Amino acid sequence: EAGVAQSPRYKIIEKRQSVAFWCNPISGHATLYWYQQILGQGPKLLIQFQNNGVVDDSQLPKDRFSAERLKGVDSTLKIQPAKLEDSAVYLCASSPRRGDGYTFGSGTRLTVV
Amino acid sequence: QKEVEQNSGPLSVPEGAIASLNCTYSDRGSQSFFWYRQYSGKSPELIMSIYSNGDKEDGRFTAQLNKASQYVSLLIRDSQPSDSATYLCAVSFYNQGGKLIFGQGTELSVKP
Repeated sequence: EAGVAQSPRYKIIEKRQSVAFWCNPISGHATLYWYQQILGQGPKLLIQFQNNGVVDDSQLPKDRFSAERLKGVDSTLKIQPAKLEDSAVYLCASSPRRGDGYTFGSGTRLTVV
Repeated sequence: QKEVEQNSGPLSVPEGAIASLNCTYSDRGSQSFFWYRQYSGKSPELIMSIYSNGDKEDGRFTAQLNKASQYVSLLIRDSQPSDSATYLCAVSFYNQGGKLIFGQGTELSVKP
């Protein structure tokens, strides 16, 4: 089965610019997650979707981050405007059901300068 | 108090030894437990899942769960240099929508 697809792999932007990441989950996986992983730390959940509805966005900085999952399949995560502390790897993951183990995509490494 | 805690390491073991990685969690309403392996510059890869008390073995890996002590561990037998990576413990909680909460990871180094 195809894995979780993410793009781009790398992105370098200046602070205050905007950036968007794309994710396509494993076919049939209802649950999709975006995580932020800062170097040396474990992944931190930003947002969880069940089909095209948001289950948990309690740790999403909503003043600058937004995410959507139209039609319950692929998803985009946007940052506008970016700050230096947003430099991290952004991981998308999917699972068949809530509580199952995830499959992660390859991630997008964002550097804000 | 962090919800999922791991020793950050690094943990260094000689090739062929048993590596023991530990994880504690704070919420008794926990549901499922996972170990992920993450090589430098790569994304996490699921290597073990465990749902009930006791041991679960898969090849050289054994996961151990003790819900009363809120403790989960991963043993790697006959450690190989290719096992050198960061190991992430993840827990899903009944009252948090099934999302996985990750520890900070333990860096394992297996010396030839």
